[in-house]
Amino acid sequence: DAKTTQPTSMDCAEGRAANLPCNHSTISGNEYVYWYRQIHSQGPQYIIHGLKNNETNEMASLIITEDRKSSTLILPHATLRDTAVYYCIVRVEGNRDDKIIFGKGTRLHILP
Amino acid sequence: DVKVTQSSRYLVKRTGEKVFLECVQDMDHENMFWYRQDPGLGLRLIYFSYDVKMKEKGDIPEGYSVSREKKERFSLILESASTNQTSMYLCATRTGSPYEQYFGPGTRLTVT
Repeated sequence: DAKTTQPTSMDCAEGRAANLPCNHSTISGNEYVYWYRQIHSQGPQYIIHGLKNNETNEMASLIITEDRKSSTLILPHATLRDTAVYYCIVRVEGNRDDKIIFGKGTRLHILP
Repeated sequence: DVKVTQSSRYLVKRTGEKVFLECVQDMDHENMFWYRQDPGLGLRLIYFSYDVKMKEKGDIPEGYSVSREKKERFSLILESASTNQTSMYLCATRTGSPYEQYFGPGTRLTVT
């Protein structure tokens, strides 16, 4: 599986868009990009995933560069409840165990 | 919305006790997982199940067993609890998309 690199931490003002980058320069053609987050003392929460095209759902948008070597998760109007560790994962689909392996992620602090 | 519930948020047990952690999901997902999460070690897969009465070992199954008698329920059993099993235990289910996993709130188990 391709390795990902994320900044250790980021700050964002409440109400602003939070843009979280992820580098995955060794990604292969059949690997998807997934984003999860984990709020303190809670289980991880799936956010969004994509292969090539940009994706949007009720939580966030995912922008994947044309060469697929990096992506950005966008939280359009960050609130204090978005303070969490955000994990970017790159993985081929179809393995039986499909276990989640998180890296260190980005600790996002939303500032009032 | 997918709902994954775990029987307890916090549990304190003594060394040598048999411990049962229950996980229930309401979305008819076939695949269910048990992880533990420890600081510095990330998320580690203990067991998973892709069907009723089916189970497969993950990366760290020693000291644990599981039971899946009904599709919606996946139990993790610590046969004889030890202090090194003090951890956050997370149950997850998944849809057809392998990395779109849905986690429960977690059970923080302390073994004294």
